[in-house]
Amino acid sequence: QVQLQESGPGLVTASQTLSLSCAVSGASIRSGSYYWTWIRQHPGRGLEWLGHIFYRGTTSYNPSLQSRTTISLDTSKNQFSLKLSSVTAADTAVYYCASFVDYGAIWWGRGTLVTVSS
Amino acid sequence: EIVLTQSPATLSLSPGERVTLSCRASQSISNYLAWYQQKPGQAPRLLIYDASNRATGIPARFSGSGSGTDFTLTISSLEPEDFAIYYCQQRSNWPPMYTFGQGTKLEI
Repeated sequence: QVQLQESGPGLVTASQTLSLSCAVSGASIRSGSYYWTWIRQHPGRGLEWLGHIFYRGTTSYNPSLQSRTTISLDTSKNQFSLKLSSVTAADTAVYYCASFVDYGAIWWGRGTLVTVSS
Repeated sequence: EIVLTQSPATLSLSPGERVTLSCRASQSISNYLAWYQQKPGQAPRLLIYDASNRATGIPARFSGSGSGTDFTLTISSLEPEDFAIYYCQQRSNWPPMYTFGQGTKLEI
């Protein structure tokens, strides 16, 4: 099975860039089997798909956040990353990394809470 | 952008009961619909994909149906561990993206 583990700062200052990484074990991010995906969940709210990256580096982003979002691969570490720029309090959420196939998310990380402070 | 609307927002039920959750899409999505279960403090878990296919390891009491714009998730006989929040999710091919419904909470 695939295991994913998010890491990164739990506290980010408003207007700065949120940066998270997702370490993958049990699969190679170069295999082409999955879309490597970021999803977030605002406290007490539903799920929001942020975007994904495929092994060739092709990305797709949520149009509502596209201008602020960058997802990239680090094949040397078998991990992928999320950068979300110009954050505000509205970006406070639990951020999950996940591995998707066409129809949905097969494997999830445990999630990491990121709080944006002013 | 396709919007998924789940109903009801909350359901209060008892173990052993049968329950049907609804998810309606703002336009046709064929059968490109999945269902997830999320318990407090945990990541979601995939239950159903492509409207009616159970994911690996999911008990047979969970079933999904529908196509086009109207979908349902049925739990034939609620177990205590089924009390959770359920989300539907659709995928679109262009632009390639996924959206979720707002969730239905099953409570005792």
